[in-house]
Amino acid sequence: RKEVEQDPGPFNVPEGATVAFNCTYSNSASQSFFWYRQDCRKEPKLLMSVYSSGNEDGRFTAQLNRASQYISLLIRDSKLSDSATYLCVVTLSGSARQLTFGSGTQLTVLP
Amino acid sequence: EAQVTQNPRYLITVTGKKLTVTCSQNMNHEYMSWYRQDPGLGLRQIYYSMNVEVTDKGDVPEGYKVSRKEKRNFPLILESPSPNQTSLYFCASSPIIRGTNSYEQYFGPGTRLTVT
Repeated sequence: RKEVEQDPGPFNVPEGATVAFNCTYSNSASQSFFWYRQDCRKEPKLLMSVYSSGNEDGRFTAQLNRASQYISLLIRDSKLSDSATYLCVVTLSGSARQLTFGSGTQLTVLP
Repeated sequence: EAQVTQNPRYLITVTGKKLTVTCSQNMNHEYMSWYRQDPGLGLRQIYYSMNVEVTDKGDVPEGYKVSRKEKRNFPLILESPSPNQTSLYFCASSPIIRGTNSYEQYFGPGTRLTVT
């Protein structure tokens, strides 16, 4: 079983739609959680950190469920520019500098 | 401009010919890391460094070497490249902020390596 699992998609949604991605992690000692965005084989860039209480940044909302060991990303009012691959990332307790990446979920927003 | 640079961006080489991919950051970050990205496998960490002269293995270190003689540079060395090392490689850096595990990693633009 992979340490971090994501549905690879692709998710094809119309502009303006709401879309949600889930990511599960296997190690209960995982401590920090992030969503990164990667455009077409370019470098990944941090989209948002995921806090225990959940957090929102504009159209993006991230949630953490430690009991079920998953994190989620919700995108409201999708824009064409949201088309990208979204990477779920976790770090282990005591090894905060080692990131474990999911293989990514591909999103295409259609006009 | 704050950035992570990698060179070369593209490289085609033959099995067994030693090569080095350079990585440099101008943000005075303590932490640097190398990843490889392969279809369906995501990014996997090769090596990381917490500071000068401090390096550790990541998840897939076999066939690679690194060094951290200066804070800004973290070269990746393939002593004897093989075709299974054909991949997209990313270097990344981040500051180490005491008392927190939340931080952002800044990635270089990537190096696409093909070993024939």
